[in-house]
Amino acid sequence: DVKVTQSSRYLVKRTGEKVFLECVQDMDHENMFWYRQDPGLGLRLIYFSYDVKMKEKGDIPEGYSVSREKKERFSLILESASTNQTSMYLCASSAQGAEAFFGQGTRLTVV
Amino acid sequence: DQQVKQNSPSLSVQEGRISILNCDYTNSMFDYFLWYKKYPAEGPTFLISISSIKDKNEDGRFTVFLNKSAKHLSLHIVPSQPGDSAVYFCAASAGGNNNDMRFGAGTRLTVKP
Repeated sequence: DVKVTQSSRYLVKRTGEKVFLECVQDMDHENMFWYRQDPGLGLRLIYFSYDVKMKEKGDIPEGYSVSREKKERFSLILESASTNQTSMYLCASSAQGAEAFFGQGTRLTVV
Repeated sequence: DQQVKQNSPSLSVQEGRISILNCDYTNSMFDYFLWYKKYPAEGPTFLISISSIKDKNEDGRFTVFLNKSAKHLSLHIVPSQPGDSAVYFCAASAGGNNNDMRFGAGTRLTVKP
């Protein structure tokens, strides 16, 4: 069974804090993704990575950065958290040309 | 500007009837399409996919139809069951590697007993 694990289910952070969201997959997938889910907007792609140390911007990269130092781990970084980054964050991984598997999500609240 | 659109935020059907969920896309480079199902407090789970070389793919009660000329796809669930009640997301990617999937806004399906 494919497993995508996100480090936290719920997080509360203060405005201006640096926030790290961690994601680990155990299927040796090349691709990894970070999305945020907001009501009425669906899942919006923040960043994706198709190989170690490779990253590509998605549709809403502003205010975020990512790191992929190892194939199994893809981190999302909020450099200076703001209240408009309060959201559900979803990590996913996939093999080339195949469907993606998602983690359980991290609900981040920035106060 | 969303490249994948699901214009119906919600759909309600009776148990045993057909559910039809629709999805439109704008990017003609998309060549791989997927449907995901999401329950509250869980990540989306993959349901069914179709590549652009096909116009239909079937898996049990689930069938996806693709109309490339209209840039439209639909998911049919027959017969619908109460356990199918969830949010359904349409997704699409380009280039064969599926490494830049874009999702629609989702449709909440409610199947009434």
